[in-house]
Amino acid sequence: GENVEQHPSTLSVQEGDSAVIKCTYSDSASNYFPWYKQELGKGPQLIIDIRSNVGEKKDQRIAVTLNKTAKHFSLHITETQPEDSAVYFCAASMGMKTSYDKVIFGPGTSLSVIP
Amino acid sequence: EPEVTQTPSHQVTQMGQEVILRCVPISNHLYFYWYRQILGQKVEFLVSFYNNEISEKSEIFDDQFSVERPDGSNFTLKIRSTKLEDSAMYFCASSWPSGGSADTQYFGPGTRLTVL
Repeated sequence: GENVEQHPSTLSVQEGDSAVIKCTYSDSASNYFPWYKQELGKGPQLIIDIRSNVGEKKDQRIAVTLNKTAKHFSLHITETQPEDSAVYFCAASMGMKTSYDKVIFGPGTSLSVIP
Repeated sequence: EPEVTQTPSHQVTQMGQEVILRCVPISNHLYFYWYRQILGQKVEFLVSFYNNEISEKSEIFDDQFSVERPDGSNFTLKIRSTKLEDSAMYFCASSWPSGGSADTQYFGPGTRLTVL
């Protein structure tokens, strides 16, 4: 089955700096890659996603890139703010091939933005 | 903005007791899921549900677990005889087919289950 790895497990950055989180997946059939932000005591909140027919997607300070050949995808947060502090999960799914599909999560990255 | 809701937020139970975790998915969604997250670990898939039947289940989802959509709005997860290792956060999610695929899943805030 699909396996998603994520690095680093913890990341501290100064406010205003950029943060990069990298993920790899194992199943080349995966074609949908969401990113979730989880704040303490809350459920995962979708922040951005990318589909396999796209190499890059940007939404304000957040961007994701996908390299299908290498089975890598990354999250980039620019101009980080203290409210960006949370656990970030990358995930993979075959949602475009089946009518529904489970989301396989990575282990998470705990991001701390230091004011 | 529509959101997935879950009740209760925290459930404490004795080992061997039955628990029912409740979810109200987003109203026009057709696909429903349960995931769990043991403290400090990754979020794990339990089961998906569509058209009033289970679509897929993981190896975690054994005979002690069941799901039901008792009416047009609720989606429940029942654990028949809880074990200590069932202690976790349980998340409900729902999705709507977009362009033929139901890939974007929206998660509820979770129910923290503590088994003593």
